[in-house]
Amino acid sequence: AQTVTQSQPEMSVQEAETVTLSCTYDTSESDYYLFWYKQPPSRQMILVIRQEAYKQQNATENRFSVNFQKAAKSFSLKISDSQLGDAAMYFCAYRSLTGTASKLTFGTGTRLQVTL
Amino acid sequence: KAGVTQTPRYLIKTRGQQVTLSCSPISGHRSVSWYQQTPGQGLQFLFEYFSETQRNKGNFPGRFSGRQFSNSRSEMNVSTLELGDSALYLCASGQGGGETQYFGPGTRLLVL
Repeated sequence: AQTVTQSQPEMSVQEAETVTLSCTYDTSESDYYLFWYKQPPSRQMILVIRQEAYKQQNATENRFSVNFQKAAKSFSLKISDSQLGDAAMYFCAYRSLTGTASKLTFGTGTRLQVTL
Repeated sequence: KAGVTQTPRYLIKTRGQQVTLSCSPISGHRSVSWYQQTPGQGLQFLFEYFSETQRNKGNFPGRFSGRQFSNSRSEMNVSTLELGDSALYLCASGQGGGETQYFGPGTRLLVL
């Protein structure tokens, strides 16, 4: 079974600064997707970014980018120019491409605080 | 396109009762997955439906069940509620392959 580990329960960043959230995962599969979801106080899970394992290029979405190290099974999220609205819980998630299952396996989350 | 919708948004029940939660996926999406989120256990997968068939199931007791209708809307039922069933129940829809799942706003269930 796949596992996802987020070792940073809480992180803090000043507005306009850069922060990196860590995520490692364990799998024996070679094809999979990795995601970062954001959950603000409203509790709505919002997709931040997605990475396909077969792609060597790191995904980027505006101020959000990932550092995907497949051999190390590491998938960190970098947030540049942090904004107050970035404050939320961030979850790393793994999704297998084996078979037809669409199950997401989540990490325990990192709470990001953004200070002035 | 409208997003994933879930009803009701909040629910209070007492132990022993049963509850039904509803989820309407994004138009064109045929896969609906359900997740339970609690402070102690985090986000846990309940089950996934695709084209009215349960395709995958998490490690939950048989009190938790679901179904999907021909229009892809899904319902989740919990019978004989226990205090530990208090949680945020999230529904996510996708097109059915390995691509992204999009989440609804969730239903907060409180069992007294």
